[in-house]
Amino acid sequence: SQQGEEDPQALSIQEGENATMNCSYKTSINNLQWYRQNSGRGLVHLILIRSNEREKHSGRLRVTLDTSKKSSSLLITASRAADTASYFCATDAVGTASKLTFGTGTRLQVTL
Amino acid sequence: EAGVTQFPSHSVIEKGQTVTLRCDPISGHDNLYWYRRVMGKEIKFLLHFVKESKQDESGMPNNRFLAERTGGTYSTLKVQPAELEDSGVYFCASSQDGGETQYFGPGTRLLVL
Repeated sequence: SQQGEEDPQALSIQEGENATMNCSYKTSINNLQWYRQNSGRGLVHLILIRSNEREKHSGRLRVTLDTSKKSSSLLITASRAADTASYFCATDAVGTASKLTFGTGTRLQVTL
Repeated sequence: EAGVTQFPSHSVIEKGQTVTLRCDPISGHDNLYWYRRVMGKEIKFLLHFVKESKQDESGMPNNRFLAERTGGTYSTLKVQPAELEDSGVYFCASSQDGGETQYFGPGTRLLVL
């Protein structure tokens, strides 16, 4: 399997609900970053969590990192229709000089 | 502050033709990266410039791809000759010297017919 696999591949929720996406990776990392891509658009950086951090918040986003399990989760609280997008985790592995490795992403659909 | 820009936004060419993609990083960012996503696959690293030098080009698929960053400002990625499997979205990203966050451009959608 690939470094940075997201789970689930697709998620459909109603507005106001919380959305949780998970990411697993294989190697030791310097940091892990989450990106959002709206349909047909570029990647928007959401949040970065370093290997020595366990949890980070940014607005309605909460990211956790468990380096012992090599996994991360992204929680979006009180989701909105505008959160509809694909979400990717990307890892900066130790010894790779900032080369990011992406997973295949989670497609989130938020309905009214 | 302007973000990373890429040109063109879309390109449709025939197999065997040449295409050149351009990326303008955020002003002052020494690090410039190229990535691409081919249909149904994950986004993959192509190469990394630090100023005008190639720091890592381990992701370049073959010698039909040539990336340059003369003067350490904008970068071009040329595909010559293009093949059908080169179709996909080519992303450029930049980061500050010592910075961890990579800021991505909108991508160039390349279709090779």
